[in-house]
Amino acid sequence: AQSVTQLGSHVSVSEGALVLLRCNYSSSVPPYLFWYVQYPNQGLQLLLKYTTGATLVKGINGFEAEFKKSETSFHLTKPSAHMSDAAEYFCAVSGSNQGGKLIFGQGTELSVKP
Amino acid sequence: EPEVTQTPSHQVTQMGQEVILRCVPISNHLYFYWYRQILGQKVEFLVSFYNNEISEKSEIFDDQFSVERPDGSNFTLKIRSTKLEDSAMYFCASSNGQLEAFFGQGTRLTVV
Repeated sequence: AQSVTQLGSHVSVSEGALVLLRCNYSSSVPPYLFWYVQYPNQGLQLLLKYTTGATLVKGINGFEAEFKKSETSFHLTKPSAHMSDAAEYFCAVSGSNQGGKLIFGQGTELSVKP
Repeated sequence: EPEVTQTPSHQVTQMGQEVILRCVPISNHLYFYWYRQILGQKVEFLVSFYNNEISEKSEIFDDQFSVERPDGSNFTLKIRSTKLEDSAMYFCASSNGQLEAFFGQGTRLTVV
């Protein structure tokens, strides 16, 4: 069985500040981990993913995440927030190599203050 | 860039009516999925479809739901008799089996 916990349903940062969105997972098999972003009234867009290999993965829009097996975490970071980063962010886990069936966390709404 | 397209973007239906949500997956993809997101809640897996049959379904996907790939390009989700609690955003996704699923923009279903 797999599950994802995102700590903090809402995070607010100032423009230019560090963004840190937390994600912890549980998986009985080696996990594949994903971060998706959802802008208002839009679909889900893949930010980045971890499958195997390098544990620090870089994604679009300056985001990156680090897979820490010992901590079962996959936190999302961005050094400097931009107003356009305001959105809902979802962490997801998959245990298969077929993409698709994803187990999502509850989501974290990111607000960016000017 | 290829994308998953869903129609309609918004559907309003009366309780008890049947609805069909339509999706056109990316053309060379073989795995298809439906997810739903009730307002303010997380995205939930409904069903996966491969080789013209359901490969996995969640407990949400009861007898009121069905999926079909009628013509080799469309992938549909049918809800036979809608309930108020079926109101949600429904996302279609497709994958070529290489880890990344591509999502459509979603269909917002409102049951009144």
